[in-house]
Formats: sequence, structure tokens, C-alpha cells
Amino acid sequence: DSGVTQTPKHLITATGQRVTLRCSPRSGDLSVYWYQQSLDQGLQFLIQYYNGEERAKGNILERFSAQQFPDLHSELNLSSLELGDSALYFCASSVDPGNTIYFGEGSWLTVV
Amino acid sequence: KNEVEQSPQNLTAQEGEFITINCSYSVGISALHWLQQHPGGGIVSLFMLSSGKKKHGRLIATINIQEKHSSLHITASHPRDSAVYICAATGNQFYFGTGTSLTVIP
Repeated sequence: DSGVTQTPKHLITATGQRVTLRCSPRSGDLSVYWYQQSLDQGLQFLIQYYNGEERAKGNILERFSAQQFPDLHSELNLSSLELGDSALYFCASSVDPGNTIYFGEGSWLTVV
Repeated sequence: KNEVEQSPQNLTAQEGEFITINCSYSVGISALHWLQQHPGGGIVSLFMLSSGKKKHGRLIATINIQEKHSSLHITASHPRDSAVYICAATGNQFYFGTGTSLTVIP
């Protein structure tokens, strides 16, 4: 158990819908990261927050947005879902950007 | 264009063999991570390197900043080492390799 909690673990939704994935980082960790892992594109970095502020942005689509709240939990919002958004979404956390990263178990999203 | 290249893509070894997985990157980095992903999907961070060499049990990771190259070595491999190993270069963002699928046969 990494100490990073992601909910929901599995989610099935229809095209065009919107979903929210939630992440609670390890106690004391200020940095939160979101990644997408699909069969055809492997692991991709989406976005990073540090203590509530956006720190780095990767290949995150405009239909996706994220935020980190004052209690340090984070949410990833995916809207206007397409079949290609089906993937495993990981959240990870670290004390700060220069330290070891701990991964959650992921949220499996299936868009039908 | 792949900022991070890993080799080999697939690797099968007999139990006890010494294993090396290579990672080359083309971007400027602040750190290089080695990750392990088991069937079922969970990811564990094995090492984070910015220079030199780190060792944890039977695992050794090295990085050569000048050559932009890192290696992960597994000594005395065991079937429980069977997993996908992924390197990730971190600078202004994360760049992932495509992973090396390792199978260790008893």
C-alpha cells in the first residue's frame, strides 16, 4: 500500500459524458501527479500540482482539467468523453518535486 | 519523436541470470526514475537518480549524465522479478519509455 488513494477504482461511462477522478496523496506529500496509461500510447504525464499550484503540464487534453484543493487532495475532470479516453489513470504523490514518487492503484476508465 | 528510448522491449531470462535494461534520453533532466509495473497494473518506484549509482537489494541503477543513458541491473533474477520496467526522465515534465517486459523462468 503506497498510501495514495484513488477513487473510483473502476468506472464505465458513455461517450460525451463527464467524470471526476479523485486522489488523496500520502500524508505529508505536497506534490500530486496525474498520468494516463493506455494500451496504444503507454504511460503519459498529464499534470502536476504542488501545494495547490499547477507546477508542470504534459499531454493533457483541453477536455481534461485538474485541481489540487487546500487539503491537498486532487481531482481530475474528464469531459466530452471519447472512446479513446478509455485508459488507466494514475495519481501519484511525493513530498516535493525532487523526491520519490508513490503511485496509487489507478482508476480504470472505460468509455462505451 | 521519442524523448526516452528503452531496450530491450521484451526480455526472457532463466532464474539466476544477470539482467540489464537500458534507457537513453534526449531531453535535459533533473532526475531519472525506474518504475516497476506488475500484472494487474500497480506501479512502484524503484529508483530516482540524478547522478551515479544506487543499489537496493538485488537491483542496481546507474546513470551517465554526459551520455544521457541509464541502466537497471537485476542480479540473481527470480520469477517474482517478472514485470514491466519503465524508465521516466523528468525535467520540466515527465517523459516515459515504452517499457521492458521481463519474464524470468524458473
